[in-house]
Amino acid sequence: QVQLQESGPGLVKPSQTLSLTCTVSGGSISSGGYYWSWIRQHPGKGLEWIGYIYYSGSTYYNPSLKSRVTISVDTSKNQFSLKLSSVTAADTAVYYCARVDDCSAFDIWGQGTMVTVSS
Amino acid sequence: SYVLTQPPSVSVAPGKTARITCGGNNIGSKSVHWYQQKPGQAPVLVVYDDTDRPSGIPERLSGSNSGDTATLTVSRVEAGDEADYYCQVWDESSDQVVFGGGTKLTVL
Repeated sequence: QVQLQESGPGLVKPSQTLSLTCTVSGGSISSGGYYWSWIRQHPGKGLEWIGYIYYSGSTYYNPSLKSRVTISVDTSKNQFSLKLSSVTAADTAVYYCARVDDCSAFDIWGQGTMVTVSS
Repeated sequence: SYVLTQPPSVSVAPGKTARITCGGNNIGSKSVHWYQQKPGQAPVLVVYDDTDRPSGIPERLSGSNSGDTATLTVSRVEAGDEADYYCQVWDESSDQVVFGGGTKLTVL
C-alpha cells in the first residue's frame, strides 16, 4: 500500500525559500503511471494546487505560483520535493503531497505538514 | 482561467439525501473528482471520473456530471458524513488543476 509522508521545516523566515520533501513508501515513483503533486491549504481555506511532476522530470505548475516554484524528483530516494522562493506570510499553510492517477485525481495523500512564515 | 463554483454550505437531517453541486462552464465535458475532508485530516478521494468510487467508499456517495453542473449525492446521510467536500478538474485549456471552493456539509 503506497503511503506518502511530508517532511521539512515548520517555520520559515520571510523572503527565504520553503523546502519540503515527500517520501513515497510501498511503491516506486519510477514505475510510472502516476504524477506526484503538491497542494496547499491556507488556514480555514480551500485547497490550492501548486504543481506536479512525473518521474521523468516533466512538470506542470499553477500559473499563479510558477515564478516561485520548483518541484523536483529523486528516484534513487523515492522522493519528490517542493521549493517555494521569496516566501511571505501569505505562504503560511498546510502543505500536502499527493499521488495523481491517470485521470488527474489525487488518489493518495500525505498527512500534511504545517508551514508558518514568520520572522 | 476555469472556475468551479460550490455552495459554501449544505445542511441535511440524518437519513436524508444531500446534494452538493459544482458548477463550471461545460463541466460535463470534463472528468470531475470529489474529495471529503474532515477537520484536521487530509482530503480523501471519494468519487473520481464523475461517477466511480475508490475501494472502501460506501455506495451512499455517488456522483453525476452533465451540462454545467456536477453533483455529489450523499444518500442516507450519517453524522460521520459531516465534512468539507471539494470538487476538482483538470483544465486542459490552461494545463492546470482547478479546485472548487469547497462545501461544508452539516448534519442537523
